[in-house]
Amino acid sequence: SAVISQKPSRDICQRGTSLTIQCQVDSQVTMMFWYRQQPGQSLTLIATANQGSEATYESGFVIDKFPISRPNLTFSTLTVSNMSPEDSSIYLCSVEMGTSGRDDSQETQYFGPGTRLLVL
Amino acid sequence: QKEVEQNSGPLSVPEGAIASLNCTYSDRGSQSFFWYRQYSGKSPELIMFIYSNGDKEDGRFTAQLNKASQYVSLLIRDSQPSDSATYLCAVIKGNNNDMRFGAGTRLTVKP
Repeated sequence: SAVISQKPSRDICQRGTSLTIQCQVDSQVTMMFWYRQQPGQSLTLIATANQGSEATYESGFVIDKFPISRPNLTFSTLTVSNMSPEDSSIYLCSVEMGTSGRDDSQETQYFGPGTRLLVL
Repeated sequence: QKEVEQNSGPLSVPEGAIASLNCTYSDRGSQSFFWYRQYSGKSPELIMFIYSNGDKEDGRFTAQLNKASQYVSLLIRDSQPSDSATYLCAVIKGNNNDMRFGAGTRLTVKP
């Protein structure tokens, strides 16, 4: 697995402002993902961020609202732009890595601790 | 039809019992299946994965896969209060590493 950190861990923001969330991993990974998890709900994929190419967004998510950077193999940012109360959620980054120490290793996703965002 | 379906629960079992968590998926081309555990206020952590039909055991956990029925389950033996969490089923579709999550089943293990 990997050690994944996110900054900030939580924030309270005003409507109309923007917040940039950082995700740092302690090893080089090709694929990083950004998810949203609203209270009591499961994970919704926002976009896939691969180094050296534009992020790929899921249906319902657009680059103008959620711009993503992926400058290298250990770091990515997600910006939540022009925020509204509906953007209040937990935002999680994940990385794809092989399960370690197993004979039947499988590529899977490991998650950062999340960023809890409240928009007033 | 949702791509990955789970009963939302809550599922309540007494300490020491077997907890059975179920998941169905819609895409027959799905190849790999994962169970994540998520404690309240925390991020998901991987418990097990399975990609071959049959059972796979890891300690108190057993994952079961039936591709013909498009069904995957997680059994937790000798359930402990510390197992109380939401369990997320995840499926990778095809070869593009596109992982889809179920809504999760909330498990409560009562002492």
